[in-house]
Amino acid sequence: EVQLVQSGTEVKKPGESLKISCKGYGYDFATYWIGWVRQMPGKGLEWMGIIYPGDSDTRYSPSFQGQVTISVDESISSAFLQWTSLKASDTAMYYCTRRYYYDGTSYLEWGQGTQVTVSS
Amino acid sequence: SYVLTQPPSVSVAPGKTASITCEGNSVASETVHWYQQRPGQAPLMVIYYNTDRPSGIPERFSGSKSGSTATLTISRVEVGDEADYYCQLWDTGGDHPVFGTGTKVTV
Repeated sequence: EVQLVQSGTEVKKPGESLKISCKGYGYDFATYWIGWVRQMPGKGLEWMGIIYPGDSDTRYSPSFQGQVTISVDESISSAFLQWTSLKASDTAMYYCTRRYYYDGTSYLEWGQGTQVTVSS
Repeated sequence: SYVLTQPPSVSVAPGKTASITCEGNSVASETVHWYQQRPGQAPLMVIYYNTDRPSGIPERFSGSKSGSTATLTISRVEVGDEADYYCQLWDTGGDHPVFGTGTKVTV
């Protein structure tokens, strides 16, 4: 069974750094793109960016370029989302997703989410 | 860029039928997928490739598409169907997903 298991809830202060993780199980981790989606409290889904574990090819949404870093460690089947200096506005639920591609389209399979709260 | 518009909310009585629309210029030429997000949970796909149901999703969930509008229909609605629903397609030019604005279904 394919599973994406994310790291646990984080509570941080403004200005702190953070790295959250997403570990893939039950499939060849290297061959499926892993993406990140933000959901702010009471809001919809926002695409942040995506990485291909096989070669670390990374693409960011313009809204998140320079704000976060997406990385991967293929040896432990894990992808990461990182901030160097958190802001209160980064408070949100973050989901990692596996991109399933077929016949010219793609849909997403989801991790359980990581809640990030940034507050002084 | 692609924009997918959904009604903010739909209210339906138990046992009746709920229809959720997803409108956008790109819908006619792209494949649409639908996700259910129950309170406090991650999104779960309920329809893929416009009309197909993943295993484990009840037959009460169905999808259709006509022109620039895709529709998710929930028949014989149950209290457990109360959730937010999002449509999604893939922007092949930009190579990224586009999400609809989301619809809250209240039973």
